[in-house]
Amino acid sequence: EAGVVQSPRYKIIEKKQPVAFWCNPISGHNTLYWYLQNLGQGPELLIRYENEEAVDDSQLPKDRFSAERLKGVDSTLKIQPAELGDSAVYLCASSRTGIKEQFFGPGTRLTVL
Amino acid sequence: AQSVTQLDSHVSVSEGTPVLLRCNYSSSYSPSLFWYVQHPNKGLQLLLKYTSAATLVKGINGFEAEFKKSETSFHLTKPSAHMSDAAEYFCVVSPSSGNTGKLIFGQGTTLQVKP
Repeated sequence: EAGVVQSPRYKIIEKKQPVAFWCNPISGHNTLYWYLQNLGQGPELLIRYENEEAVDDSQLPKDRFSAERLKGVDSTLKIQPAELGDSAVYLCASSRTGIKEQFFGPGTRLTVL
Repeated sequence: AQSVTQLDSHVSVSEGTPVLLRCNYSSSYSPSLFWYVQHPNKGLQLLLKYTSAATLVKGINGFEAEFKKSETSFHLTKPSAHMSDAAEYFCVVSPSSGNTGKLIFGQGTTLQVKP
């Protein structure tokens, strides 16, 4: 089965610019997660979706970050405007509903100049 | 609150020698515990998981971990390191109560394997 797909793999932007990341989960996985991984640290959850509903977005900085999963399949995470401190790897993961094991994509490495 | 502490930020071993990566957890409930590995520029891959069945868990690539409730530990071991094992390893806890799907990651341990 195909894994979690993320694009782009790398993105370099200037501060104050917008940026968007895309994720396509494993087919049949209703739960989708976005994580932030800073250099030298473990991933931290930003938002979790069950189908098209965001069920946990408590860690998402809503002043500049937004996410959507309109049809309950693929998802987009947006930052507007980007700040220097947003430079990190953004990981997407998916799982079957009720199953704790999560499958991760390769991530998008964002550099904000 | 749930948390994990990886006791070593960096471990260096010689190829063919045993590997020990240490992890302690804190959980109010009987947790689910995982070890994930992350190779450079690759996604996180599940090595093994403990979900309240056998306390000694065998994973992929010859890794195993033992759940010790009395010590609140879940250390990862491998009898003989291979060069391809060089990577970042994360110990992860997920609360068993409810089904939040939340994973809490440790800070990671970098494993270096010397020839």
